Amino acid sequence: GENVEQHPSTLSVQEGDSAVIKCTYSDSASNYFPWYKQELGKRPQLIIDIRSNVGEKKDQRIAVTLNKTAKHFSLHITETQPEDSAVYFCAKGYFGNEKLTFGTGTRLTIIP
Amino acid sequence: DGGITQSPKYLFRKEGQNVTLSCEQNLNHDAMYWYRQDPGQGLRLIYYSQIVNDFQKGDIAEGYSVSREKKESFPLTVTSAQKNPTAFYLCASKRTGGYGYTFGSGTRLTVV
Repeated sequence: GENVEQHPSTLSVQEGDSAVIKCTYSDSASNYFPWYKQELGKRPQLIIDIRSNVGEKKDQRIAVTLNKTAKHFSLHITETQPEDSAVYFCAKGYFGNEKLTFGTGTRLTIIP
Repeated sequence: DGGITQSPKYLFRKEGQNVTLSCEQNLNHDAMYWYRQDPGQGLRLIYYSQIVNDFQKGDIAEGYSVSREKKESFPLTVTSAQKNPTAFYLCASKRTGGYGYTFGSGTRLTVV
């Protein structure tokens, strides 16, 4: 029950189209779900996160949705641009446990 | 490096040797983490520490050791017992009660 499954592992979309990455989990304790972006050769950086008391959060072209009943959460990127090309990781955690468990990553490629 | 520094950036080790990776932060964060990143496997937790002089094993601690003598520093030793040490190692920190990690820029270890 500790793992996070992330799909797809690779994703190619035409510039301007939308991209969606989905993660699923199985435990009931997790209440914090961040997304990290890792550009080639660089460190992962937090791009958006959501806590279990809300179902959706948006920041410009990026949004995250959470379905706690079904235990899945998704990253949505609209109007994709070449600089969105990177590896994206989802993660889960819960208050009182200081560690995050990460998904296996999605390599997103934006085709110009 | 955004307040958390890992060194060196590249490290080569001969089989049978121990090697220590450095991680220093000036963010006044209490919690620090070591993750290992392998292609297709995401980030896997090696060790973490929530407070000085205390640390806990993560999911893949075998063959690794850590110390936390100072709040700012959390070095990781890769011992000769680690069967497959070639990987990219990421250090992260977080303030207690906070949610988001700050990552270092990573150390790429290669066994030759």
